[in-house]
Amino acid sequence: EGQLVESGGGLVEPGRSLKLSCAASGFTFSNYVMDWVRQAPKKGLEWVASISTGGGNTYYPDSVKGRFTISRDNAKSTLYLQMNSLRSEDTATYYCAAYYGGYDYWGQGVMVTVSS
Amino acid sequence: DVVLTQTPVSLSVTLGDQASISCRSSQSLEYSDGYTYLEWYLQKPGQSPQLLIYGVSNRFSGVPDRFIGSGSGTDFTLKISRVEPEDLGVYYCFQATHDPYTFGAGTKLELK
Repeated sequence: EGQLVESGGGLVEPGRSLKLSCAASGFTFSNYVMDWVRQAPKKGLEWVASISTGGGNTYYPDSVKGRFTISRDNAKSTLYLQMNSLRSEDTATYYCAAYYGGYDYWGQGVMVTVSS
Repeated sequence: DVVLTQTPVSLSVTLGDQASISCRSSQSLEYSDGYTYLEWYLQKPGQSPQLLIYGVSNRFSGVPDRFIGSGSGTDFTLKISRVEPEDLGVYYCFQATHDPYTFGAGTKLELK
């Protein structure tokens, strides 16, 4: 059974940086497009970033473009999200998710709080 | 950006009833390869979302056949026949045809 485990969340001041990690197991990580999806408190889901299977192509919505960077290490079956210039509106639970025609696997989520 | 409009916002049902959720897109979700990247997810209270339907009408592994997805172009529907307690939560439609990918705002299914 596939599993995704996020780490690296926490409380950070506006303008600072944070890096999230997502460790995958139980499925062939390199076969999946990997994404980050976030959910602000009591709100809906928002797609944040996507990376192709080989890592050569990345995609972001305008809300995070230029501030967030998604990357992956297929040898380590690990996904990353480098978040710079954080804003209060980035406060959310961040999920990593494995996509193969649909998000087959989701992590449990990690909370990121941006506040002074 | 593609806007997905889900209706209703909330749905109160009796166990055993049928429930129907609509997802309307501001643009056609048929990709140039002919595939439609429209999915449905359920987020149960306190849990991560889970995939129910992909490609408009394909049930994901382990999803009961009481979940039926249908539609094309810009209009999509998720029907749940014979609602059971484990079906309660928030349902989201999602499109991965157009960048940026977008979710609907969600439909909360609750007991009457």
